[in-house]
Amino acid sequence: AAGVIQSPRHLIKEKRETATLKCYPIPRHDTVYWYQQGPGQDPQFLISFYEKMQSDKGSIPDRFSAQQFSDYHSELNMSSLELGDSALYFCASSLNLFYEQYFGPGTRLTVT
Amino acid sequence: KQEVTQIPAALSVPEGENLVLNCSFTDSAIYNLQWFRQDPGKGLTSLLLIQSSQREQTSGRLNASLDKSSGRSTLYIAASQPGDSATYLCAVPLQGGSEKLVFGKGTKLTVNP
Repeated sequence: AAGVIQSPRHLIKEKRETATLKCYPIPRHDTVYWYQQGPGQDPQFLISFYEKMQSDKGSIPDRFSAQQFSDYHSELNMSSLELGDSALYFCASSLNLFYEQYFGPGTRLTVT
Repeated sequence: KQEVTQIPAALSVPEGENLVLNCSFTDSAIYNLQWFRQDPGKGLTSLLLIQSSQREQTSGRLNASLDKSSGRSTLYIAASQPGDSATYLCAVPLQGGSEKLVFGKGTKLTVNP
């Protein structure tokens, strides 16, 4: 069965650079969520989209922005990167709001 | 504010043992609860989802129960195997009508051959 696809899987950036993370949801899933998991931490919700509109927002820094496109894939744009942004970034998708969330393998971002 | 607690933080058992992982949450107005498995440095694999109207859900050697009124869920693993070694996380929605998940810190399980 198709799963959530995230790219790239690994990314190394320097401080103050910009990064773009991509997420391709499971086919027919219209809801996408982004989570950040720091080292030794539990995942923290960043933002979600339903039918290409932002549906909820968590502790996402103003330096980050995200959107969901017409094909339902989503991109998380991160600017002015800081060392503390180093983390695993997960994307999840669901068939609709309030349905089971399926997580992708994550993108490991390292900021040096 | 929803808070999720998992006990124990770590557990080491010999192969073949049955075990129980515990999860408690402060806001009982949830519509479902999910149990996930995470291998080191890897993604989250959804194991079981229990709807608020259900009391338990089973998948193979896994059985999850939900007592919404007391804010508790348990994950029962039967006949544990070394391949079960991973961190197990439970997650619930932030508020009754929210879709964003709040995770517990997880229980790190080690099953020794």
